[in-house]
Amino acid sequence: NAGVTQTPKFRILKIGQSMTLQCTQDMNHNYMYWYRQDPGMGLKLIYYSVGAGITDKGEVPNGYNVSRSTTEDFPLRLELAAPSQTSVYFCASSYRRDRFYEQYFGPGTRLTVT
Amino acid sequence: RKEVEQDPGPFNVPEGATVAFNCTYSNSASQSFFWYRQDCRKEPKLLMSVYSSGNEDGRFTAQLNRASQYISLLIRDSKLSDSATYLCVVNMIYFEGGGSNYKLTFGKGTLLTVNP
Repeated sequence: NAGVTQTPKFRILKIGQSMTLQCTQDMNHNYMYWYRQDPGMGLKLIYYSVGAGITDKGEVPNGYNVSRSTTEDFPLRLELAAPSQTSVYFCASSYRRDRFYEQYFGPGTRLTVT
Repeated sequence: RKEVEQDPGPFNVPEGATVAFNCTYSNSASQSFFWYRQDCRKEPKLLMSVYSSGNEDGRFTAQLNRASQYISLLIRDSKLSDSATYLCVVNMIYFEGGGSNYKLTFGKGTLLTVNP
């Protein structure tokens, strides 16, 4: 199993450009998540999905959109990139979501908006 | 009070030292607790869950004090390979739409460097 894979690994965007961060998992997990991690800060949840066709906002959803057409894929879309979106983005998945669930993370995408 | 607060660090210790990380959480409805490890420029990975009675995994010991809303991680005989950021993670239950759900909240992490 590859686990959770993310592409691209790095990207530099100009202000106002758009892009899609790709996330795929091959563990047949129902739950998927997008986080951002700013330097010296904890991970903040952007969006999550409890299954194909179902998505919901996390703590910091503004400026982002997601879709979940399949169990495996959970892309994150930035429509009008802003410098405040410079961050490291992690996609994660979990099999269940109860008291002791573990999240498996992808390697991250480092995004710089200038 | 922040939802999850950790020692700010960083910690620099020699090989073989014992090091302790502390973490407090604000929500008494928190259900479960974890320590994740994050290597430099890598993704977080689960190190261990924290059980009510405390638990040990080799050189690592986790403790939970629900009354004080406090979690700790002790690393004994530290190795160079223990150098990483340690994230305290709290799982909280919340209720919406007539049902319940769980949410992981991550602390900012404490950086540990083990020196030869």
